[in-house]
Amino acid sequence: QVQLVQSGAEVKKPGASVKVSCKVSGYTLTELSMHWVRQAPGKGLEWMGGFDPEDGETIYAQKFQGRVTMTEDTSTDTAYMELSSLRSEDTAVYYCATEGPPFDYWGQGTLVTVSS
Amino acid sequence: VIWMTQSPSLLSASTGDRVTISCRMSQGISSYLAWYQQKPGKAPELLIYAASTLQSGVPSRFSGSGSGTDFTLTISCLQSEDFATYYCQQYYSFPRTFGQGTKVEIK
Repeated sequence: QVQLVQSGAEVKKPGASVKVSCKVSGYTLTELSMHWVRQAPGKGLEWMGGFDPEDGETIYAQKFQGRVTMTEDTSTDTAYMELSSLRSEDTAVYYCATEGPPFDYWGQGTLVTVSS
Repeated sequence: VIWMTQSPSLLSASTGDRVTISCRMSQGISSYLAWYQQKPGKAPELLIYAASTLQSGVPSRFSGSGSGTDFTLTISCLQSEDFATYYCQQYYSFPRTFGQGTKVEIK
């Protein structure tokens, strides 16, 4: 059974960056394809990017290209999502999720609030 | 990009009702479709994958059907714990995309 535990809530100012972590247990990170999905308040789910095992590369949604970086530390089985140049529209809950496929295990979510 | 049209956006129903939610794709995706349930303040949970396969532990009152461009989620006998928001999602190609969501509320 995979368990994903994310880091705590963050408050950031516009223009800053945020880095959210997702700690894996039950499996090693190398056995999983990790993705990130966000949800603005009262809105739907939005895929940000994730690992494509067919190509061995991380693919990002075009909307976030140049602003998002997804990395992994296999020594600690922790995945990271860093989003830069934050604006108020980035206020959302950010989820990590493993793709079986599809997204079968989810973290609990991390609220990122962008406010001056 | 594969666009998804999910309907209705809001569904009012009573306990015991049979409800259906539709999801239409802008292009064919074979059976690479999943359905999720999300309750307020919680992460989504996988209900169905491969269009019609029930995830382990999901009650049999949930069922999925369809292939190609048109898909349906059916709840045969709505229970109190089923009042939630439901999303479809395609995993046929990148970028992964979700439907807009259907909120099932108590009538």
